[in-house]
Amino acid sequence: DTEVTQTPKHLVMGMTNKKSLKCEQHMGHRAMYWYKQKAKKPPELMFVYSYEKLSINESVPSRFSPECPNSSLLNLHLHALQPEDSALYLCASSQAGTFPNQPQHFGDGTRLSIL
Amino acid sequence: AQSVTQPDIHITVSEGASLELRCNYSYGATPYLFWYVQSPGQGLQLLLKYFSGDTLVQGIKGFEAEFKRSQSSFNLRKPSVHWSDAAEYFCAVGPLKAAGNKLTFGGGTRVLVKP
Repeated sequence: DTEVTQTPKHLVMGMTNKKSLKCEQHMGHRAMYWYKQKAKKPPELMFVYSYEKLSINESVPSRFSPECPNSSLLNLHLHALQPEDSALYLCASSQAGTFPNQPQHFGDGTRLSIL
Repeated sequence: AQSVTQPDIHITVSEGASLELRCNYSYGATPYLFWYVQSPGQGLQLLLKYFSGDTLVQGIKGFEAEFKRSQSSFNLRKPSVHWSDAAEYFCAVGPLKAAGNKLTFGGGTRVLVKP
């Protein structure tokens, strides 16, 4: 069982749809992350939130919009996605701030398919 | 810039045999090093981590890793492999404090276990 919970586990959407991915953790972590992982590749960092503020955006297209409404929740809003956006989307969390050596804890991901 | 190389894309090992996965890193200072495992359809699970001190670190599921500064390596080992160890293994370095909590992953090694 993972301590980072992601919903839904699977999502199929058309290119004109709007959907959201959700991530929740109750470990008291103040850093949260979104990664994109294509098949047989390592995860690629998309966004980092630290103390509920966006601290890293890895030049992600604007059709991906992150949101951190509180210290336990992280959302990724999706709109007008392209077929190449089909992938596994992973959420992670860790201690933030002056604890750079703290490991990241990952959820099981949302498998996203764009039709 | 920091980088991580996992030279072996695939490794096939018989159940009960020993396993060693290679990881080489490039980093300007003492690195923070991690090994993660990803089973099919799941997120990444932390196996072990190295920050400082004893260069031989023990992890979960019977895994250990040895940090060798002179060789810039952090190889993962397990004395006797079980069928459930079939998975993708990722070595990671970081995070660089100046770059936020950003992990750099190797390309991964897929482990297949023969009965």
